[in-house]
Order: sequence, then structure tokens, then C-alpha cells
Amino acid sequence: NAGVTQTPKFQVLKTGQSMTLQCAQDMNHNSMYWYRQDPGMGLRLIYYSASEGTTDKGEVPNGYNVSRLNKREFSLRLESAAPSQTSVYFCASRRTGRISTNEKLFFGSGTQLSVL
Amino acid sequence: KQEVTQIPAALSVPEGENLVLNCSFTDSAIYNLQWFRQDPGKGLTSLLLIQSSQREQTSGRLNASLDKSSGRSTLYIAASQPGDSATYLCAVWRTGGFKTIFGAGTRLFVKA
Repeated sequence: NAGVTQTPKFQVLKTGQSMTLQCAQDMNHNSMYWYRQDPGMGLRLIYYSASEGTTDKGEVPNGYNVSRLNKREFSLRLESAAPSQTSVYFCASRRTGRISTNEKLFFGSGTQLSVL
Repeated sequence: KQEVTQIPAALSVPEGENLVLNCSFTDSAIYNLQWFRQDPGKGLTSLLLIQSSQREQTSGRLNASLDKSSGRSTLYIAASQPGDSATYLCAVWRTGGFKTIFGAGTRLFVKA
């Protein structure tokens, strides 16, 4: 009963380095999300994927890329990390659809990223 | 652009008090709304989901209501306890939609 699994839990990068945050869900959800959380700002949507093979920008997409590898996995890539990307990153998933009766959003435990 | 506002930003109450947290949103379309709890340094725990066809949901000492016409939801916590101390966030999205927008949260402190 894993739910949404994120790796790694912690990461320290130097400015300009790249890395990929991994996310996988085992609930057969069609939509997946990446958020960042900064003090006093709540969660802001970076990218989301409505279904396998599709991705869309959220509120703060600049500096990030995503890949919906299959229905289970949705990765977030920082090509050239900047100190402004220091944040806590959360992955989430949900079943969506016009006739869906349970659209509860489920979250992973987060990745704390520091860019020096 | 959808905006979600949570008031108050922070709240300190003595143990045993009943309290209300507020969440308001600007888009008038039919919405689902979910309340979460977040402990310091932790992830988000789902508390209650109110789907667009519902007006309220209850779980234990928690009751959440949704008024789509006014764009507001309230989370009522009865007989608050120190263990309720956390940040409470609300999130909204359209039925069948994908974009989910969060409020900034209300930080609650319940004093023993």
C-alpha cells in the first residue's frame, strides 16, 4: 500500500548542476502533479500531467521540465539548478474524469532540495 | 486566474475551544475542495474532500462545508486539542479538471 513514492528525500546541489526528482504512484491514477512549497507561499503548481503522454504548465514552470514516463511515473528535472529553486517539492496524484466519484488528491512525502 | 485565500494566516487558541478556518476562491465554476493538514517538516495529510455535489463532510471532530455560490469553505474543529496544532491547507479544482490550486494555509497553535 505504497501510494505516492518520491525519491530522493533530500538533495543538495551546486548552482548549475542538474538532477531529476522521481515520483511513482501505484493507485492507477491518471493525473499527476508536481508542486513546490516555500515558506509563507503555500503550494504552487509547477507542472501537471492529465494522462500518460500529456503534460501542462502550472503556475511556476520556468526552470523545470517534466516527463510522464508511463501511467505510474512522473519525473521533474532541473536542467541547471539555481538558488531560487531551493524548496520542498511534492508529487501528487489523483483519479480524474467526468464520472469519477472519488477525486481525492494523494501526496508523496516530499523532497527537500537545497541549491548552493 | 483562480485565487485561493485562507484566513486567518495564523491562529492561537486555548485547548477545548471550537474554531473555524476559512478558505475562499474566486472562480465561480463548480468545484471540488479538499482540506489537508501539514505538520512541520512533513507531507500533507488529507482530512476531508467535498465533491461538487456535496455541501459538507464530517470526520470525527472535523466538519467542512462548501458554499459554491459564495466561493467559500469553512473547516470547523470542535473541542480543539494540542495535537491539532499544524498548518491547514485547502485546495480547489473543477470537477473533471486537472489544475489544483492551494491556499497559503492557516497555521494553528492550540495551547494546553
